[in-house]
Amino acid sequence: GEDVEQSLFLSVREGDSSVINCTYTDSSSTYLYWYKQEPGAGLQLLTYIFSNMDMKQDQRLTVLLNKKDKHLSLRIADTQTGDSAIYFCAELSGYALNFGKGTSLLVTP
Amino acid sequence: DAGVIQSPRHEVTEMGQEVTLRCKPISGHNSLFWYRQTMMRGLELLIYFNNNVPIDDSGMPEDRFSAKMPNASFSTLKIQPSEPRDSAVYFCASSLLTNNYTQYFGPGTRLTVL
Repeated sequence: GEDVEQSLFLSVREGDSSVINCTYTDSSSTYLYWYKQEPGAGLQLLTYIFSNMDMKQDQRLTVLLNKKDKHLSLRIADTQTGDSAIYFCAELSGYALNFGKGTSLLVTP
Repeated sequence: DAGVIQSPRHEVTEMGQEVTLRCKPISGHNSLFWYRQTMMRGLELLIYFNNNVPIDDSGMPEDRFSAKMPNASFSTLKIQPSEPRDSAVYFCASSLLTNNYTQYFGPGTRLTVL
């Protein structure tokens, strides 16, 4: 089957904005998610967006959804060193989540 | 709420041994998911339960893997016999399957099979 695609690595300077991109596979997905995984930890839900929305903002996080292109992005404003982690995009497929392989975000001072 | 609880956090065993991983979902959640995470394959869904009933086990790699959910507050994933290629981090997640269908993950069990 098709895979949810994400770039593997992103490096930004502290204070800059980070944009993590994702291409999902199921045009009928009703929800799309962003999870964060820190070293040695489980996945923590950051935010989600319903498919009838184009944008969702939550403090420093902005999610953009382009359903035509099946493209999802996560923007982190004023990125901090504590934001360094792996970020996973996921699409709701039936009752289960189909995850991308994750984007490693490195924030340098 | 304590969140999803998994035990053990780390397991080291020898090839051929039986391994049992345990999960306690968030109270009130009606669905439970087992995932496996490896560098090569990323996060793979192994099996999920709805109201304690296995709904989809198509991700279970082979007959050596089995999962049970005897009640709403407990699930096990068993590997017998274990093999080195089973080495991975195993995550359990639970969900209420209403509203936004969000899944909440446990901290994972890191399994090493020697």
